[in-house]
Amino acid sequence: QQQVKQSPQSLIVQKGGISIINCAYENTAFDYFPWYQQFPGKGPALLIAIRPDVSEKKEGRFTISFNKSAKQFSLHIMDSQPGDSATYFCAAYNYGQNFVFGPGTRLSVLP
Amino acid sequence: GAVVSQHPSRVICKSGTSVKIECRSLDFQATTMFWYRQFPKQSLMLMATSNEGSKATYEQGVEKDKFLINHASLTLSTLTVTSAHPEDSSFYICSASGGTGYNSPLHFGNGTRLTVT
Repeated sequence: QQQVKQSPQSLIVQKGGISIINCAYENTAFDYFPWYQQFPGKGPALLIAIRPDVSEKKEGRFTISFNKSAKQFSLHIMDSQPGDSATYFCAAYNYGQNFVFGPGTRLSVLP
Repeated sequence: GAVVSQHPSRVICKSGTSVKIECRSLDFQATTMFWYRQFPKQSLMLMATSNEGSKATYEQGVEKDKFLINHASLTLSTLTVTSAHPEDSSFYICSASGGTGYNSPLHFGNGTRLTVT
């Protein structure tokens, strides 16, 4: 129940395209859903996050869509750029508990 | 934004020696810090949770006598890998939270690449 599933494992997108990464969870007690971006040899950096009381959050080219009934959330990267090439982790958090991370998606944006 | 500093970024040590990794929250007080281990092309594996002034809570399968964690202040946690062996070679990442709740997201350090020869 503490698991967060993430797909796809890897993703190749052309420059200017839309990158979409999906995550699903089981535990309805999760109440905070962040996305992290990690470049090789670096620690993950918080990219964007959403709470379950909203269905969408947009920050620049990054949008989180959240479907509470389906227990799914996704990251959309609009106008994908080669500099977006990184590993993306979704996560779920239960107040007072630990963060649970998805297995990650390796995104490659081709120039 | 919140900054977590981790040091050293890379360390090479001989088998049998101990290595200490520091994790500092630079502009906020971190009541809770987390230590992760990450293998190549894999997700983060939580090793332990440390709370300032109390003993760390280790995840199942993590040897607490091998991975010593100290969280002596609200801005510093250390992970000491004792009697390191080649299988301990990995990428270790710390993270810190100023508390729990929506306004206390997790911020990560830049990781430490440990190589045990």
